[in-house]
Amino acid sequence: GESVGLHLPTLSVQEGDNSIINCAYSNSASDYFIWYKQESGKGPQFIIDIRSNMDKRQGKRVTVLLNKTVKHLSLQIAATQPGDSAVYFCAEMDDYKLSFGAGTTVTVRA
Amino acid sequence: DTEVTQTPKHLVMGMTNKKSLKCEQHMGHRAMYWYKQKAKKPPELMFVYSYEKLSINESVPSRFSPECPNSSLLNLHLHALQPEDSALYLCASSQRGGRRSNQPQHFGDGTRLSIL
Repeated sequence: GESVGLHLPTLSVQEGDNSIINCAYSNSASDYFIWYKQESGKGPQFIIDIRSNMDKRQGKRVTVLLNKTVKHLSLQIAATQPGDSAVYFCAEMDDYKLSFGAGTTVTVRA
Repeated sequence: DTEVTQTPKHLVMGMTNKKSLKCEQHMGHRAMYWYKQKAKKPPELMFVYSYEKLSINESVPSRFSPECPNSSLLNLHLHALQPEDSALYLCASSQRGGRRSNQPQHFGDGTRLSIL
């Protein structure tokens, strides 16, 4: 699989490999985090969320990890498929407002 | 398919026109949102409605005027827009809004707006 230690705007992944998308959030008071997937011509699609009292949450083929000490969030996608090609945004909820990260464009190579 | 429906999908308008964007959800959500997204950028919050009342305006220019006729509908009225207002306008909803609500927001596919 491929991993990205720092946030990068693009990630190229071989089909079938695992992907890791990283995100650094800014506000230590944020207590709720969401990962969204946005395909071309579509709105952001909810993937998975996590609250600050957790450090890991798993969904179908996806896992979100939260490290509050270093204010870092990651999304792991298992067995990446062509349909996973999209822009992935992390978002943090602070008080009333959902603030999005810059996004990572994931391209899956056949 | 998204459960938040936005119309129209595309809109081209002149700077002197008046038009409206519409958003509808039937999930029983009581919070609805407008976001603006420029190309290759993340969405930016514009307005929040909670229980049909405007609760947040993120210092949006008055040429954008939101309206929430009922709990399922959200409109964005546009007047005298500028070319830099060209963007994708996204509507979202969540079960409830307000401070520390910590609810996922579900988005529509947006209206792509072009100002001539």
